[in-house]
Amino acid sequence: DTAVSQTPKYLVTQMGNDKSIKCEQNLGHDTMYWYKQDSKKFLKIMFSYNNKELIINETVPNRFSPKSPDKAHLNLHINSLELGDSAVYFCASSHVWTATGELFFGEGSRLTVL
Amino acid sequence: AQKITQTQPGMFVQEKEAVTLDCTYDTSDPSYGLFWYKQPSSGEMIFLIYQGSYDQQNATEGRYSLNFQKARKSANLVISASQLGDSAMYFCAMREGPSSNTGKLIFGQGTTLQVKP
Repeated sequence: DTAVSQTPKYLVTQMGNDKSIKCEQNLGHDTMYWYKQDSKKFLKIMFSYNNKELIINETVPNRFSPKSPDKAHLNLHINSLELGDSAVYFCASSHVWTATGELFFGEGSRLTVL
Repeated sequence: AQKITQTQPGMFVQEKEAVTLDCTYDTSDPSYGLFWYKQPSSGEMIFLIYQGSYDQQNATEGRYSLNFQKARKSANLVISASQLGDSAMYFCAMREGPSSNTGKLIFGQGTTLQVKP
């Protein structure tokens, strides 16, 4: 049973389109994240939600809109896709009240914008 | 300023030998956590080991150990008895503040490790 699952795993789309990536975790964690991994493999945080409340919103274009309907789900919607949005998007979750607070990652969603 | 620095873009190691992957960090927060993750070619991110800033002993998890030198702000990962399956990209990451903070991790650039048979 996958702990953090993302769908879809692959998206190929044209510039200007809108797309969504869904994430669900069954670990009972209270915090969820979206990270972007670029072509150089650099991982950068985009957003974080704690119990459905947005707590981190890094410098991300407002074409990116996260939504957390409940603490087990965090979705990412991207409007007006641009070439530079091509990347792997990772969802992750953690329980911030543990001693370590390590992040558990989903398998990633590879977005290719043509 | 770069908060987590991994200066080795790529490393090679012979199977069954030990290898050290370097990581230095920069923070003024007295409470922080350091993590290492493995990313094989299949792409998933696998948590390996954690070191808290107040931990007195170096963390170990099986063949992984973390050489934590607080004064030098370094947190190197040591992999003993390398196996072919260890070939992957390795990321060092830091959380500033206790885990009850935002929980956000800042990642280094990564080091690609290749294990030779």
